Amino acid sequence: AQSVAQPEDQVNVAEGNPLTVKCTYSVSGNPYLFWYVQYPNRGLQFLLKYITGDNLVKGSYGFEAEFNKSQTSFHLKKPSALVSDSALYFCAVRDGRNTDKLIFGTGTRLQVFP
Amino acid sequence: EAQVTQNPRYLITVTGKKLTVTCSQNMNHEYMSWYRQDPGLGLRQIYYSMNVEVTDKGDVPEGYKVSRKEKRNFPLILESPSPNQTSLYFCASSSGTADPQPSDTQYFGPGTRLTVL
Repeated sequence: AQSVAQPEDQVNVAEGNPLTVKCTYSVSGNPYLFWYVQYPNRGLQFLLKYITGDNLVKGSYGFEAEFNKSQTSFHLKKPSALVSDSALYFCAVRDGRNTDKLIFGTGTRLQVFP
Repeated sequence: EAQVTQNPRYLITVTGKKLTVTCSQNMNHEYMSWYRQDPGLGLRQIYYSMNVEVTDKGDVPEGYKVSRKEKRNFPLILESPSPNQTSLYFCASSSGTADPQPSDTQYFGPGTRLTVL
């Protein structure tokens, strides 16, 4: 079965510093990986996805993610964090080729301090 | 504007009182689904629909029903809500293609926070 793991419940970073939110995956076949963000009292917003191609995927709001097949990881990164990036981040994997169902990680709360 | 709408956004009810949460999308998507979000568990799929009149169980379907009579609407029905169904619910839709395309993404509604007393 497909799964993703987010090993950190919370990540704290100072504004202006680089940030990384970790995600590892376990899939059979090619992984289709996603990052979503949830701001307080809002729905999930799509950030970026990896389907195929370049291992470095660029997304919304200056975020990017690096797909690493050997380490089965898909970490979310941003070179310079903003206070407004504080939110709940979810990594997800598509549950197979013939479905749109997503399997979500447990989420990582990012707190950016001024 | 492409969007998924849900109503109500907030609902407090009592055990056993039937309720329906509506979901509508304006993107002509074939695939729609319901998720619940609980702390420490992430989002888990409740039910999904591949197209009109085609629905199937997700990972946590107990206590829920759905219907898909029109392509744009996918209501979630709780016939007899219980306190363990207190959660944040999200409706989502996507194109439903078998092979994911670079343009594919799944759109989520704003969420419905349900409290069952």
